[in-house]
Amino acid sequence: KQEVTQIPAALSVPEGENLVLNCSFTDSAIYNLQWFRQDPGKGLTSLLLIQSSQREQTSGRLNASLDKSSGRSTLYIAASQPGDSATYLCAVPTQGGSEKLVFGKGTKLTVNP
Amino acid sequence: GAVVSQHPSWVICKSGTSVKIECRSLDFQATTMFWYRQFPKQSLMLMATSNEGSKATYEQGVEKDKFLINHASLTLSTLTVTSAHPEDSSFYICSARDGGTVGETQYFGPGTRLLVL
Repeated sequence: KQEVTQIPAALSVPEGENLVLNCSFTDSAIYNLQWFRQDPGKGLTSLLLIQSSQREQTSGRLNASLDKSSGRSTLYIAASQPGDSATYLCAVPTQGGSEKLVFGKGTKLTVNP
Repeated sequence: GAVVSQHPSWVICKSGTSVKIECRSLDFQATTMFWYRQFPKQSLMLMATSNEGSKATYEQGVEKDKFLINHASLTLSTLTVTSAHPEDSSFYICSARDGGTVGETQYFGPGTRLLVL
């Protein structure tokens, strides 16, 4: 059974700092991995999708890496801003190429001005 | 990007009543949609897969007679919580995939917060 763990559960940093969020999964036979952002009481916004054949994806100040063999992914946020404050979730398919997603509990990020 | 909407955004109801939540893909067709539930400070848990024109498939532990799903068209799926009880209070989120290629990004709705009194 696929399980996803995110560390840390919460993170508070001053504005401008670079930071790394971690995600680990138990079944490495994944098709892809997604990082999402969730603002309080809101739905999810897809940030980055990494296919299993890729090692990283970049979008603006965000960079996500994927190491399938070790079952890990990281989300790097450069030059953090108060507007980055949100909960960041990673998700992987329940198995193989399934479209059903298993989510981690998320990392709640607070960027202080 | 693709947009998924949900209606209502929040609902308060009395115990024993039924509540219907709509999930719509606004600018694309979705043969498959997914319904998730999120309890406070918990992650999203998949409840069921909604398939256009056929019965939904439910995850283990989810009561299909309590959570009725109808996917009547390529742009609309509905989740009806029947005889709602306080323990059904949660944040319900749907998602849909744009396109016919497995593995593409899923787009999520803004969620519906349900409070059962």
